[in-house]
Amino acid sequence: GAVVSQHPSRVICKSGTSVKIECRSLDFQATTMFWYRQFPKQSLMLMATSNEGSKATYEQGVEKDKFLINHASLTLSTLTVTSAHPEDSSFYICSARAFSGREQFFGPGTRLTVL
Amino acid sequence: GQQLNQSPQSMFIQEGEDVSMNCTSSSIFNTWLWYKQDPGEGPVLLIALYKAGELTSNGRLTAQFGITRKDSFLNISASIPSDVGIYFCAGRGNNAGNMLTFGGGTRLMVKP
Repeated sequence: GAVVSQHPSRVICKSGTSVKIECRSLDFQATTMFWYRQFPKQSLMLMATSNEGSKATYEQGVEKDKFLINHASLTLSTLTVTSAHPEDSSFYICSARAFSGREQFFGPGTRLTVL
Repeated sequence: GQQLNQSPQSMFIQEGEDVSMNCTSSSIFNTWLWYKQDPGEGPVLLIALYKAGELTSNGRLTAQFGITRKDSFLNISASIPSDVGIYFCAGRGNNAGNMLTFGGGTRLMVKP
């Protein structure tokens, strides 16, 4: 399957700071990227969908000003958690799909801990 | 919105046993995907299904796209300890954005 990377794999930050997570499709062009959030022992919850070169579409209840998403190229999307608080601590996973692809591939996830 | 019910939520089986899990949807899907997630990792795609009635195998794994297009199952034969993990079904219908809807997951534990 296609490879999607995420960086960093884990990050610990102080409350009030911002954290940027990168998601890259390594061997294909991802016209659409998705950002998910997963709490312990729960399923994946879609936060937003982004298409290259356009604004992200956020799911209901997800603050777009808090979770900034940029999909500037066909191989890179970034999620910035602004003014992070302890309740933002979670496992963030990106996913990518090619234009003609029916399959969706996931990155390895980023564990965010906000102190 | 679309809802996916995945069962069972967890299974604790003996090594060598066969495993079966399934997902049912409240609406019709055009695609069913099965993923496995290890602790601290992202989901890894196991099997993709695109046609009603389709039966696809990947090693000891077999999955089927239900005829009604509202359900799918995943079977694992002769389980081994490394099968431990959480298995998620995911379906895609004709929603705007072609987003996946995920089941709640099945946590598989294998006793050697």
